[in-house]
Amino acid sequence: EVQLVESGGGLVQPGGSLRLSCAASGFTFSAYGMNWVRQAPGRGLEWVSYISSSRSTIYYADSVKGRFTISRDNAKNSLYLQMNSLRAEDTAVYYCARRNIGFDIWGQGTMVTVSS
Amino acid sequence: EIVLTQSPGTLSLSPGERATLSCRASQSVSSNYLLWYQQKPGQAPRLLIYGASSRATGIPDRFSGSGSGTDFTLTISRLEPEDFAVYYCQQYGSPPYTFGQGTKLEIK
Repeated sequence: EVQLVESGGGLVQPGGSLRLSCAASGFTFSAYGMNWVRQAPGRGLEWVSYISSSRSTIYYADSVKGRFTISRDNAKNSLYLQMNSLRAEDTAVYYCARRNIGFDIWGQGTMVTVSS
Repeated sequence: EIVLTQSPGTLSLSPGERATLSCRASQSVSSNYLLWYQQKPGQAPRLLIYGASSRATGIPDRFSGSGSGTDFTLTISRLEPEDFAVYYCQQYGSPPYTFGQGTKLEIK
């Protein structure tokens, strides 16, 4: 079964750091670009970051540029998002999503809450 | 940045009716990179339409997409009870890969 499973969310204080992981299974992870997308409570979807299959191309939303770092380990079939200098407005469910013809596979999401 | 504006914000219809959702872009979007998603409460988004008009795997043929340039449309021909949800358009041809703000399709 093709699957993405996020982990690493939780409660963190403003200014703190968190590292999210996304474990892929059921497909050749190294062949696909990957994304992080987030959704604040009761709000719409916001694209956060993209990394190509070979790690040669990386993009970020302006709202996270300089604070978040996307990475991947193709040997471990895993995608990561290192989040530093977290703010209250970063509170959201974070999804990883495979880029194929569209973002065709999504994980179930992991909740990140930034609060003191 | 390409801004996607969806209308209406909320659409109230009855099962069996036809739904027409709009997505307008602030600048031209390659049709190859225009997507539509459905999202139900507590669930991840589900890809419905890619390339502006192609149905994703397993999507019923009552869902159809059309449009080009800056104007795109998602049509649901005959609403089923399970179709009441929030729908988003997205472009991923030019970073940042922006989403529209969503259209909530609710039961009248």
